[in-house]
Amino acid sequence: KAGVTQTPRYLIKTRGQQVTLSCSPISGHRSVSWYQQTPGQGLQFLFEYFSETQRNKGNFPGRFSGRQFSNSRSEMNVSTLELGDSALYLCASRKRTSEPPFYGYTFGSGTRLTVV
Amino acid sequence: ELKVEQNPLFLSMQEGKNYTIYCNYSTTSDRLYWYRQDPGKSLESLFVLLSNGAVKQEGRLMASLDTKARLSTLHITAAVHDLSATYFCAVDRNNDMRFGAGTRLTVKP
Repeated sequence: KAGVTQTPRYLIKTRGQQVTLSCSPISGHRSVSWYQQTPGQGLQFLFEYFSETQRNKGNFPGRFSGRQFSNSRSEMNVSTLELGDSALYLCASRKRTSEPPFYGYTFGSGTRLTVV
Repeated sequence: ELKVEQNPLFLSMQEGKNYTIYCNYSTTSDRLYWYRQDPGKSLESLFVLLSNGAVKQEGRLMASLDTKARLSTLHITAAVHDLSATYFCAVDRNNDMRFGAGTRLTVKP
Protein backbone atom coordinates (compact mmCIF):
# COMPACT_ATOMS: atom_id res chain seq x y z
CA LYS A 1 0.00 0.00 0.00
CA ALA A 2 1.08 3.57 -0.54
CA GLY A 3 2.96 5.19 2.32
CA VAL A 4 2.82 8.70 3.66
CA THR A 5 3.61 11.11 0.85
CA GLN A 6 5.15 14.48 1.47
CA THR A 7 5.69 17.16 -1.13
CA PRO A 8 7.90 18.78 -2.04
CA ARG A 9 10.99 16.83 -0.97
CA TYR A 10 13.28 19.83 -1.02
CA LEU A 11 12.59 23.51 -0.80
CA ILE A 12 14.75 26.62 -0.68
CA LYS A 13 13.15 29.84 0.48
CA THR A 14 14.29 33.31 1.40
CA ARG A 15 13.86 34.88 4.82
CA GLY A 16 10.52 36.58 5.16
CA GLN A 17 8.77 34.36 2.65
CA GLN A 18 6.12 31.84 3.49
CA VAL A 19 5.93 28.18 2.62
CA THR A 20 3.29 25.47 2.46
CA LEU A 21 4.12 21.80 2.84
CA SER A 22 1.78 18.99 1.94
CA CYS A 23 1.19 15.55 3.40
CA SER A 24 -1.00 12.73 2.14
CA PRO A 25 -1.50 10.08 4.81
CA ILE A 26 -1.94 6.37 4.34
CA SER A 27 -5.45 5.53 3.27
CA GLY A 28 -7.60 5.03 6.33
CA HIS A 29 -5.34 7.02 8.63
CA ARG A 30 -7.20 10.00 9.99
CA SER A 31 -4.55 11.30 12.36
CA VAL A 32 -1.74 13.38 10.91
CA SER A 33 1.06 14.88 12.94
CA TRP A 34 3.89 17.18 11.97
CA TYR A 35 7.37 17.23 13.42
CA GLN A 36 10.37 19.46 12.89
CA GLN A 37 13.74 17.71 12.96
CA THR A 38 17.00 19.58 13.36
CA PRO A 39 20.45 18.40 14.45
CA GLY A 40 20.37 20.63 17.50
CA GLN A 41 16.79 20.21 18.73
CA GLY A 42 15.96 16.72 17.55
CA LEU A 43 12.35 15.85 16.81
CA GLN A 44 10.02 18.61 17.91
CA PHE A 45 6.28 18.12 17.82
CA LEU A 46 4.42 20.80 15.88
CA PHE A 47 0.78 19.73 15.86
CA GLU A 48 -1.62 16.89 15.32
CA TYR A 49 -4.80 16.90 13.28
CA PHE A 50 -7.62 14.43 13.50
CA SER A 51 -10.92 14.70 11.69
CA GLU A 52 -9.98 18.16 10.40
CA THR A 53 -9.44 19.48 13.93
CA GLN A 54 -6.18 20.35 15.63
CA ARG A 55 -5.99 18.05 18.65
CA ASN A 56 -2.57 18.82 20.04
CA LYS A 57 -0.05 21.57 19.57
CA GLY A 58 3.62 21.88 20.40
CA ASN A 59 5.54 24.94 21.53
CA PHE A 60 6.01 26.73 18.26
CA PRO A 61 5.17 30.34 17.43
CA GLY A 62 2.00 31.26 15.62
CA ARG A 63 3.94 31.53 12.36
CA PHE A 64 3.53 27.75 12.18
CA SER A 65 0.04 26.67 11.29
CA GLY A 66 -1.65 23.74 9.71
CA ARG A 67 -4.90 22.31 8.53
CA GLN A 68 -6.46 19.04 7.55
CA PHE A 69 -8.91 18.42 4.79
CA SER A 70 -11.88 16.09 4.69
CA ASN A 71 -9.81 13.45 2.86
CA SER A 72 -7.30 13.58 5.77
CA ARG A 73 -4.63 15.25 3.67
CA SER A 74 -2.82 17.90 5.66
CA GLU A 75 -0.84 21.03 4.98
CA MET A 76 1.40 23.04 7.20
CA ASN A 77 2.29 26.64 6.60
CA VAL A 78 5.16 28.68 7.91
CA SER A 79 4.95 32.42 7.44
CA THR A 80 7.70 35.02 7.69
CA LEU A 81 10.43 32.43 7.42
CA GLU A 82 13.51 32.74 9.59
CA LEU A 83 16.91 31.14 9.12
CA GLY A 84 16.22 28.96 12.15
CA ASP A 85 13.27 27.37 10.38
CA SER A 86 15.66 25.40 8.20
CA ALA A 87 14.92 21.80 9.07
CA LEU A 88 13.52 18.50 7.95
CA TYR A 89 9.75 18.58 8.37
CA LEU A 90 8.25 15.17 8.89
CA CYS A 91 4.63 14.23 8.56
CA ALA A 92 3.32 11.08 10.20
CA SER A 93 -0.03 9.39 10.05
CA ARG A 94 -1.74 6.66 12.03
CA LYS A 95 -5.07 5.24 13.03
CA ARG A 96 -5.94 7.12 16.17
CA THR A 97 -7.59 4.83 18.67
CA SER A 98 -8.12 4.37 22.38
CA GLU A 99 -8.55 0.60 22.09
CA PRO A 100 -6.18 -2.14 20.91
CA PRO A 101 -4.65 -2.74 18.51
CA PHE A 102 -2.52 0.35 18.80
CA TYR A 103 -0.49 1.73 15.99
CA GLY A 104 2.63 3.74 15.86
CA TYR A 105 3.12 6.46 13.37
CA THR A 106 4.09 5.85 9.79
CA PHE A 107 6.38 8.64 8.73
CA GLY A 108 6.81 10.25 5.37
CA SER A 109 10.21 10.92 3.86
CA GLY A 110 10.04 14.54 4.89
CA THR A 111 10.46 17.93 3.29
CA ARG A 112 13.86 19.47 3.72
CA LEU A 113 13.41 23.23 3.98
CA THR A 114 16.37 25.53 3.65
CA VAL A 115 15.91 29.19 4.46
CA VAL A 116 18.57 31.52 3.06
CA GLU B 1 4.22 18.52 30.35
CA LEU B 2 5.30 15.16 29.03
CA LYS B 3 9.08 14.98 28.73
CA VAL B 4 11.07 12.10 27.30
CA GLU B 5 14.77 11.64 27.95
CA GLN B 6 17.05 9.19 26.26
CA ASN B 7 20.56 8.21 27.10
CA PRO B 8 23.11 7.92 25.88
CA LEU B 9 22.73 10.34 22.99
CA PHE B 10 25.71 8.87 21.20
CA LEU B 11 26.87 5.29 21.37
CA SER B 12 29.82 3.77 19.59
CA MET B 13 30.23 0.06 20.04
CA GLN B 14 32.14 -2.85 18.64
CA GLU B 15 30.49 -5.58 16.67
CA GLY B 16 29.53 -8.49 18.84
CA LYS B 17 29.07 -6.44 22.00
CA ASN B 18 25.89 -5.86 23.99
CA TYR B 19 24.51 -2.52 25.10
CA THR B 20 21.35 -0.87 26.39
CA ILE B 21 19.67 2.41 25.49
CA TYR B 22 17.48 3.99 28.17
CA CYS B 23 14.33 6.01 27.83
CA ASN B 24 12.83 7.85 30.81
CA TYR B 25 9.58 9.77 30.72
CA SER B 26 8.04 12.22 33.11
CA THR B 27 4.35 11.29 33.40
CA THR B 28 2.17 8.25 33.10
CA SER B 29 1.77 7.11 29.54
CA ASP B 30 -0.55 4.96 27.50
CA ARG B 31 2.01 3.45 25.16
CA LEU B 32 5.68 3.58 24.38
CA TYR B 33 7.22 3.17 20.95
CA TRP B 34 10.69 2.64 19.60
CA TYR B 35 11.67 3.90 16.15
CA ARG B 36 14.74 3.62 14.00
CA GLN B 37 16.05 6.27 11.60
CA ASP B 38 18.80 5.60 9.07
CA PRO B 39 20.84 8.58 7.82
CA GLY B 40 18.90 10.60 5.31
CA LYS B 41 15.83 8.43 5.76
CA SER B 42 12.57 8.69 7.62
CA LEU B 43 11.60 6.96 10.86
CA GLU B 44 10.60 3.31 10.94
CA SER B 45 8.49 1.86 13.74
CA LEU B 46 10.18 -0.99 15.64
CA PHE B 47 8.13 -1.80 18.73
CA VAL B 48 5.06 -0.72 20.65
CA LEU B 49 4.93 -1.50 24.37
CA LEU B 50 1.58 -1.32 26.09
CA SER B 51 1.82 -2.42 29.68
CA ASN B 52 4.14 -2.82 32.61
CA GLY B 53 6.56 -5.67 32.09
CA ALA B 54 5.97 -5.79 28.34
CA VAL B 55 8.87 -7.18 26.37
CA LYS B 56 9.21 -7.27 22.60
CA GLN B 57 12.06 -8.78 20.62
CA GLU B 58 13.05 -8.77 17.00
CA GLY B 59 16.40 -10.08 15.93
CA ARG B 60 19.14 -8.53 18.01
CA LEU B 61 16.87 -5.87 19.52
CA MET B 62 14.77 -6.31 22.64
CA ALA B 63 12.60 -3.60 24.17
CA SER B 64 11.06 -3.62 27.63
CA LEU B 65 8.84 -1.35 29.66
CA ASP B 66 8.66 -0.60 33.38
CA THR B 67 5.73 1.77 33.86
CA LYS B 68 6.32 2.15 37.58
CA ALA B 69 9.84 3.44 36.98
CA ARG B 70 8.68 5.24 33.81
CA LEU B 71 11.53 3.57 32.02
CA SER B 72 11.93 1.67 28.80
CA THR B 73 15.08 0.00 27.59
CA LEU B 74 16.25 -1.08 24.16
CA HIS B 75 18.82 -3.83 24.49
CA ILE B 76 21.16 -4.64 21.66
CA THR B 77 22.65 -8.11 21.61
CA ALA B 78 25.81 -8.97 19.67
CA ALA B 79 25.69 -5.78 17.63
CA VAL B 80 26.30 -5.85 13.90
CA HIS B 81 27.10 -2.97 11.54
CA ASP B 82 23.58 -3.03 10.07
CA LEU B 83 22.22 -1.80 13.39
CA SER B 84 24.00 1.54 12.98
CA ALA B 85 21.22 4.14 13.03
CA THR B 86 19.51 6.60 15.33
CA TYR B 87 16.98 5.09 17.71
CA PHE B 88 14.13 7.10 19.15
CA CYS B 89 11.72 6.27 21.90
CA ALA B 90 8.34 7.97 21.90
CA VAL B 91 5.73 8.18 24.61
CA ASP B 92 2.06 8.37 23.76
CA ARG B 93 -0.28 9.92 26.33
CA ASN B 94 -3.84 10.71 25.37
CA ASN B 95 -2.83 10.37 21.73
CA ASP B 96 -0.16 13.04 22.21
CA MET B 97 3.15 11.46 21.14
CA ARG B 98 6.45 12.99 22.20
CA PHE B 99 9.87 11.79 21.17
CA GLY B 100 13.16 11.50 22.95
CA ALA B 101 16.24 13.17 21.49
CA GLY B 102 17.42 9.95 19.90
CA THR B 103 20.47 7.76 20.38
CA ARG B 104 22.90 7.72 17.50
CA LEU B 105 24.35 4.24 17.43
CA THR B 106 27.51 3.43 15.49
CA VAL B 107 28.63 -0.18 15.34
CA LYS B 108 32.26 -0.58 14.37
CA PRO B 109 33.87 -3.72 12.96
